[in-house]
Amino acid sequence: ETGVTQSPTHLIKTRGQQVTLRCSSQSGHNTVSWYQQALGQGPQFIFQYYREEENGRGNFPPRFSGLQFPNYSSELNVNALELDDSALYLCASSLGQGTGELFFGEGSRLTVL
Amino acid sequence: AQSVTQLDSHVSVSEGTPVLLRCNYSSSYSPSLFWYVQHPNKGLQLLLKYTSAATLVKGINGFEAEFKKSETSFHLTKPSAHMSDAAEYFCVVSDRSAGNNRKLIWGLGTSLAVNP
Repeated sequence: ETGVTQSPTHLIKTRGQQVTLRCSSQSGHNTVSWYQQALGQGPQFIFQYYREEENGRGNFPPRFSGLQFPNYSSELNVNALELDDSALYLCASSLGQGTGELFFGEGSRLTVL
Repeated sequence: AQSVTQLDSHVSVSEGTPVLLRCNYSSSYSPSLFWYVQHPNKGLQLLLKYTSAATLVKGINGFEAEFKKSETSFHLTKPSAHMSDAAEYFCVVSDRSAGNNRKLIWGLGTSLAVNP
């Protein structure tokens, strides 16, 4: 049990729709990272937020955006959903930017039809 | 450029026999290295980490890994596999890029099957 909670756990959307995924970080952690994990693949880094600012981004288009709030919780927003966006979206919190010691939530499973 | 290679995509062992999951890395600086485990339909959990202290690192659930700089390896081992060890394992290297912003490089994963 890491103390990182994500919601919703599962959701189904159709192409072109928008989705918001939420993450509550572990108490005391000021950094949140988001990963996309397609079926049978490893996690792909989307971006990281440190003290409410985006602090590093992977190879994802601008329709993937995020927010971090003063309590360090975070949202991942994806606009204009595509079929290939179907994946497990993982949130990880950590104390400080750039550490490899991440505490992951159980993920949000997104299916795009 | 930094990279991490997990040498086996699938490993199958019998319950009670040793486990060896291999990971090689390349890094321009002193790396930190991690192993994560992911059980089916679950998030990832940190198994163990190496951050330039002792080269033999002990983790949870009886796993350990040895950092070998000369071989640029960080293999994960366990003396005796348990059925509950069946999962996907990821080797991760954290390397210093610009300033103090360390970038995480993930391996592609090794799927461990444990046979009764």
